Amino acid sequence: EDKVVQSPLSLVVHEGDTVTLNCSYEVTNFRSLLWYKQEKKAPTFLFMLTSSGIEKKSGRLSSILDKKELFSILNITATQTGDSAVYLCAVPRRTSYDKVIFGPGTSLSVIP
Amino acid sequence: DTAVSQTPKYLVTQMGNDKSIKCEQNLGHDTMYWYKQDSKKFLKIMFSYNNKELIINETVPNRFSPKSPDKAHLNLHINSLELGDSAVYFCASSQEVNQPQHFGDGTRLSIL
Repeated sequence: EDKVVQSPLSLVVHEGDTVTLNCSYEVTNFRSLLWYKQEKKAPTFLFMLTSSGIEKKSGRLSSILDKKELFSILNITATQTGDSAVYLCAVPRRTSYDKVIFGPGTSLSVIP
Repeated sequence: DTAVSQTPKYLVTQMGNDKSIKCEQNLGHDTMYWYKQDSKKFLKIMFSYNNKELIINETVPNRFSPKSPDKAHLNLHINSLELGDSAVYFCASSQEVNQPQHFGDGTRLSIL
């Protein structure tokens, strides 16, 4: 059965800390993995990863994919209170019908 | 300009009623989705439409029916509402299933 697992499920850190969020997957016909950030409302797109070993960066956030070991990590350096959110990992599946599988999310709280 | 808009933002109603949630996207995307996010924040896909054709239909009760009058709209109609339907419902769109999705702000449905 296809699944996406994230760890930890929740995390509390102090401002300035560096965090690493994990996403592992078992999905048929893997083609891409996406990270989203969800604050109070809608999830917003962060990164899409398709190739192993190529780091994507956006400011203090970065992400990398390992297609051999079937996982991805999302790093946030020098965390700020505005980074507090749920971070979602999603893996689309292409078979006879299309489907997107979301992980349960990691709830990150950054305290001053 | 709002990319994906859904209405209403809040919906409070009694058990047994029928209600609809509307969704519109102005991104020219080919695929639209409906998700249910429960109190544990787990985002679960309900339906996906590609060019007005239903391409997946998760194991949701047949009280839920998506209706797509055109490529830019995917409405969700719910019959005979039950207490367990209380959740936040998100509409989203993407060019194709492997691409990043743009989400609406969600509709919080509360059943009394």
